Amino acid sequence: GENVEQHPSTLSVQEGDSAVIKCTYSDSASNYFPWYKQELGKGPQLIIDIRSNVGEKKDQRIAVTLNKTAKHFSLHITETQPEDSAVYFCAASPNQAGTALIFGKGTTLSVSS
Amino acid sequence: GAVVSQHPSRVICKSGTSVKIECRSLDFQATTMFWYRQFPKQSLMLMATSNEGSKATYEQGVEKDKFLINHASLTLSTLTVASAHPEDSSFYICSNSGGGLDTQYFGPGTRLTVL
Repeated sequence: GENVEQHPSTLSVQEGDSAVIKCTYSDSASNYFPWYKQELGKGPQLIIDIRSNVGEKKDQRIAVTLNKTAKHFSLHITETQPEDSAVYFCAASPNQAGTALIFGKGTTLSVSS
Repeated sequence: GAVVSQHPSRVICKSGTSVKIECRSLDFQATTMFWYRQFPKQSLMLMATSNEGSKATYEQGVEKDKFLINHASLTLSTLTVASAHPEDSSFYICSNSGGGLDTQYFGPGTRLTVL
């Protein structure tokens, strides 16, 4: 089955700096890779996703890159703000409706002002 | 994105009590819903996949007789924790998937505390 590794487990940055979180996956059949942001006591919120037919996707300060050959994908947050502080999870799935996501262990991002 | 609601948001109960958690897909018909459990400072662990009109599929190690799932309509799935014990205390989160889409949207979660 699929296995998703996520690094680092914690990340501390100064406001305005960039943050990068990396994930690797094991199943070459996976071709859908979402990223979720989870604030304390709340459910995960989808912030960006990418499918295997593209290598990069950007939405304002957030971007995701995908390298299918190497089986890794990364989340990039630029100009970080204190409100970006949260736990971020990457996930992978074989891009079929009704298929569960396999999550990484999460990264706790702390942005200090 | 899609809107998913859960009720209740938190519940505290005595050991041996059964607790029902509702998950509603508010703005589209969810043919599939997923139930996850999350312990403090840990990732989401899939418990079961709930398909409308059929029996749920449980992950290895999840007792189907303890975690009863009913997906009676395209907008509602329920998880009942039967005879809850303190070790069942956790954050339970549902997500939906439907309309031929693989994107999943999560509910706000239900915090269960069993005394």
